[in-house]
Amino acid sequence: EIVMTQSPATLSVSPGERATLSCRASQSVSSNLAWYQQKPGQAHRLIISGASTRATGIAARFSGSGSGTEFTLTISSLQSEDFAFYYCQQYNDWPITFGPGTKVEVK
Amino acid sequence: EVQLVESGGGLAQPGGSLRLSCAASGFTFSSYDMHWVRQPPGKGLEWVSAIGTGGDPYYPGSVKGRFTISRDNAKTSLYLQVNSLRAADTAVYYCARGRVVIGGNWYFDLWGRGTLVTVSS
Repeated sequence: EIVMTQSPATLSVSPGERATLSCRASQSVSSNLAWYQQKPGQAHRLIISGASTRATGIAARFSGSGSGTEFTLTISSLQSEDFAFYYCQQYNDWPITFGPGTKVEVK
Repeated sequence: EVQLVESGGGLAQPGGSLRLSCAASGFTFSSYDMHWVRQPPGKGLEWVSAIGTGGDPYYPGSVKGRFTISRDNAKTSLYLQVNSLRAADTAVYYCARGRVVIGGNWYFDLWGRGTLVTVSS
């Protein structure tokens, strides 16, 4: 089973600042990596698939990069609605596995 | 509106059973592989089952034999039967729509808000 790790566990950022979230896989997942946003009481929202492809309706301030074992989600200028949990998920290998998440909070 | 709405969670006894449901609307349900993903309180996400458009089920080893996924395309509904419940099954259970990639597995482009299952005596 591929183990996904995310860092940091909590990221404190001021509105308007840049946020950089990291995700690492225990072995290569090629570009089969997705990012999700979760807010309390709301459904998870797909942000990125294929490591770098924004999902429909996702703002251009979200960008994904990386391949193999190292991935990054960047939010270029944090808006109030972006403070949330973010999870990465690999879908290259069986079974599908998720990272433990990064909480992006207001500094 | 495109949405997934889970139901059927609640308090269950260890060793007991529950049947979770997910009502889909706003899209052609029969055309998509569907999934259940769970999240224990304060912990990360765990994929627990999938069902293909043709009804083929898929499970990780951790739940195989206790979980049964099924679907009713006429009712645009997804189900998860969970047997021999354990405290470790306590979690929010999410229904999700899967998108499969060639040479890989699924990611999820639509999620429900979840239903809480609590296993306790």
